[in-house]
Amino acid sequence: EAGVAQSPRYKIIEKRQSVAFWCNPISGHATLYWYQQILGQGPKLLIQFQNNGVVDDSQLPKDRFSAERLKGVDSTLKIQPAKLEDSAVYLCASSSFGGLHTGELFFGEGSRLTVL
Amino acid sequence: GDSVTQMEGPVTLSEEAFLTINCTYTATGYPSLFWYVQYPGEGLQLLLKATKADDKGSNKGFEATYRKETTSFHLEKGSVQVSDSAVYFCALALDSNYQLIWGAGTKLIIKP
Repeated sequence: EAGVAQSPRYKIIEKRQSVAFWCNPISGHATLYWYQQILGQGPKLLIQFQNNGVVDDSQLPKDRFSAERLKGVDSTLKIQPAKLEDSAVYLCASSSFGGLHTGELFFGEGSRLTVL
Repeated sequence: GDSVTQMEGPVTLSEEAFLTINCTYTATGYPSLFWYVQYPGEGLQLLLKATKADDKGSNKGFEATYRKETTSFHLEKGSVQVSDSAVYFCALALDSNYQLIWGAGTKLIIKP
């Protein structure tokens, strides 16, 4: 079974530029998450999708961050314009409906963003 | 609010030593508890879990017991190996929304 795919693995941009990250979840997983992980901290949930609907985006900085999950499969997270404090690893995770209730999430390897 | 607190790292041990990584939580209701592990260059993966008080989760020689009276879920292993070097995250999930609340992570370094 293929795992969660993310790209790019690494991205370096200057502040005020834009960046987009892509995620393809495990086939059949209805729930998709984007997390931000700053060095030395635990993951912080940015947005949670159930199929192509948003379940929770309360911690997403909507003035600069946006995310979509067209057709309920893969997803894109965009940052525009980027700030220095956005430097972090952006993690995508997915779960089946049953896994959602047991807390078992499957993570991709992450996309490391450096904002200069 | 709901939160998870882990011991700060890095924790450095010699191979075959006994490991304890402390985790305590604050939560309303009755959360499920988890340990996730992140090996170098890899994504986070579930190590073990416990869904109710006194449950013991175990996997790959690691164990953790859900202690409601002390609100703790400490991770233990009797004899660590170099391959156990990783970052370990404690997390809880609330029944209300099934979202995970994470600790800050503890880096474990095992020296041969």
